[in-house]
Amino acid sequence: EAQVTQNPRYLITVTGKKLTVTCSQNMNHEYMSWYRQDPGLGLRQIYYSMNVEVTDKGDVPEGYKVSRKEKRNFPLILESPSPNQTSLYFCASSPRQPGSSPLHFGNGTRLTVT
Amino acid sequence: AQSVTQPDIHITVSEGASLELRCNYSYGATPYLFWYVQSPGQGLQLLLKYFSGDTLVQGIKGFEAEFKRSQSSFNLRKPSVHWSDAAEYFCAVGAGGSQGNLIFGKGTKLSVKP
Repeated sequence: EAQVTQNPRYLITVTGKKLTVTCSQNMNHEYMSWYRQDPGLGLRQIYYSMNVEVTDKGDVPEGYKVSRKEKRNFPLILESPSPNQTSLYFCASSPRQPGSSPLHFGNGTRLTVT
Repeated sequence: AQSVTQPDIHITVSEGASLELRCNYSYGATPYLFWYVQSPGQGLQLLLKYFSGDTLVQGIKGFEAEFKRSQSSFNLRKPSVHWSDAAEYFCAVGAGGSQGNLIFGKGTKLSVKP
């Protein structure tokens, strides 16, 4: 089944403890992206990747890192999480730039930073 | 730059009633337009898209949307709402080409009364 898989679904951590949220897609998509969703703010893009070893900042990149060493994987790294990073995170992929191609979303990771 | 406005934050309709969710966009050229639905605890799923051609597009789950260039709108409609349609709906506008990106509206939450 074609899908975007994120892990974990739920994560509770403490301020400053490094964490990684994994994202994997099995559709051979070139484009991958991370979003955060907050009430009243909708979806905001954190980072995106056009292809392997090509990543770029979205609208809210501060406090996050990403890497794209393989086409299928696009992990999101929080080196020193803070409470304002408590949010619902979505990974998404697309065959090409999403402006002209639908995005496929994972089921989300709900992160709580205390 | 592109932008998307969904004027209604929350809408409640009775089961069996018709539905229209509004979406207005700002973009200089002919846009690529999308509607996504997010059911509770799920990621976003594509309902329908408009790229070109017929301005009335059909999607999954009985939804349709009409592109009106003169009004810069892409409203989502359904003739008879089912309780399972309760969800959050996001309109998105994309720019094609090599630098295409996707901008989401802030979403409209739909509640369905029995």
